[in-house]
Amino acid sequence: AQTVTQSQPEMSVQEAETVTLSCTYDTSENNYYLFWYKQPPSRQMILVIRQEAYKQQNATENRFSVNFQKAAKSFSLKISDSQLGDTAMYFCAFMKPPNFGNEKLTFGTGTRLTIIP
Amino acid sequence: EAGVVQSPRYKIIEKKQPVAFWCNPISGHNTLYWYLQNLGQGPELLIRYENEEAVDDSQLPKDRFSAERLKGVDSTLKIQPAELGDSAVYLCASSIQGGEQFFGPGTRLTVL
Repeated sequence: AQTVTQSQPEMSVQEAETVTLSCTYDTSENNYYLFWYKQPPSRQMILVIRQEAYKQQNATENRFSVNFQKAAKSFSLKISDSQLGDTAMYFCAFMKPPNFGNEKLTFGTGTRLTIIP
Repeated sequence: EAGVVQSPRYKIIEKKQPVAFWCNPISGHNTLYWYLQNLGQGPELLIRYENEEAVDDSQLPKDRFSAERLKGVDSTLKIQPAELGDSAVYLCASSIQGGEQFFGPGTRLTVL
C-alpha cells in the first residue's frame, strides 16, 4: 500500500516571500502520479499542480513549482511570491496510473499554510 | 461550467439517526468518488463509481453506510444509524475516467 507523509503540520510566511512544503511517499510502483491540492476554508479541494513520475522535468504552474526526487521519494512544493490567497491547507497526494481500479488518491495529513500580511 | 454540487453543506443530527448526502457531478463525468475527511486528516476514499457501477467500495463500512448512483449521474451516500465517530466532512469528486478529479465543497456532518 502507498503512504504519503507531510511532516510540517503548520507553516507561516510573510507575503511575497517564498515557501517550500515537504512531502515524502512510499511505493513499490515505478510509474505513478503525484499531486498537490489546496483546501481553503471553503473546504473545496483545488488541484495546484501535478507530476507524472516518468517525467524527469519538474512541473511548474505560474508561482507554483515542484522538486520531484524519485529516488528519494520526495515531492516538495515551492510557492514563490506568496499571496494572501495562498492561505489554506495543502495536501500532497499519490495515485497509481489511471487503469481500472487504480483511480484512488492517497492523501497526506496536510500542511496548514498561513501567509502573513 | 458548473462544478460538483453537494448538499447539504452542513448537517447536525443525533446519534442513531439516519442521514443522507447528495452529489451532482460535473456534466459528462462518468467517474464519481465519495471521500471521508476526518478533522486534521487528508481525505480517504469510501467508494468509486464508474457510471452506475461501484467498482471500488472496499473502504465503505457496509454495516451502516450505503451509496447509490442511479442512472450514472447523481449519487447519494447514506449512513444509518449514525455514530459519534461519523462526524467528519464528506467530499464528492468526479472525473472523466483517468482524468483530473474535481471536488465539491463537501458536507460537514456533526453527530451529537
